[in-house]
Amino acid sequence: SQQGEEDPQALSIQEGENATMNCSYKTSINNLQWYRQNSGRGLVHLILIRSNEREKHSGRLRVTLDTSKKSSSLLITASRAADTASYFCATDAGGTYKYIFGTGTRLKVLA
Amino acid sequence: DGGITQSPKYLFRKEGQNVTLSCEQNLNHDAMYWYRQDPGQGLRLIYYSQIVNDFQKGDIAEGYSVSREKKESFPLTVTSAQKNPTAFYLCASRVPGALEQYFGPGTRLTVT
Repeated sequence: SQQGEEDPQALSIQEGENATMNCSYKTSINNLQWYRQNSGRGLVHLILIRSNEREKHSGRLRVTLDTSKKSSSLLITASRAADTASYFCATDAGGTYKYIFGTGTRLKVLA
Repeated sequence: DGGITQSPKYLFRKEGQNVTLSCEQNLNHDAMYWYRQDPGQGLRLIYYSQIVNDFQKGDIAEGYSVSREKKESFPLTVTSAQKNPTAFYLCASRVPGALEQYFGPGTRLTVT
């Protein structure tokens, strides 16, 4: 399978805590993206990091990328109940406009 | 109100029947994509189209067909040759030169 792997598969935290999820991928990439999916809905783009970047911030989101380890992490700080969703990483297939999605992390934030 | 629409939200069919899922966008995007999502899984690419009248197979194209006669529309037909068609189907589009995709709300297909 070309799919990336994300861990943990599921994560449950209290409101206000930080949530960290990880993504590993298999091929060389030009960029990596993170998406959120609320239950039964379409995906929403969160953040993109290019292969020459190591860290990127957007609001409460922090993404890191380690191309030598073929891995990325997404940190959500000060989580809220509304952050409850599945989170997916997606990589470009070596410079094409095809995207390979990870298996996702299901995050549950308890109020 | 711009966006991507998929219809219907829920679709039920009998085994052996072909079924067409609709995807329409008014974002003026050139590229469009079809993905399949199974419970607890990530997305797998079925077909994608970079421009009108052109499309390419993704990783799981067998048993599916598409057309791209108009920029706004990218319908997906699930044929009777698809062995396990029950799934959640997502359509997406992308701005030329940009990398992020915009997704529709999805169609949940159940075949019995």
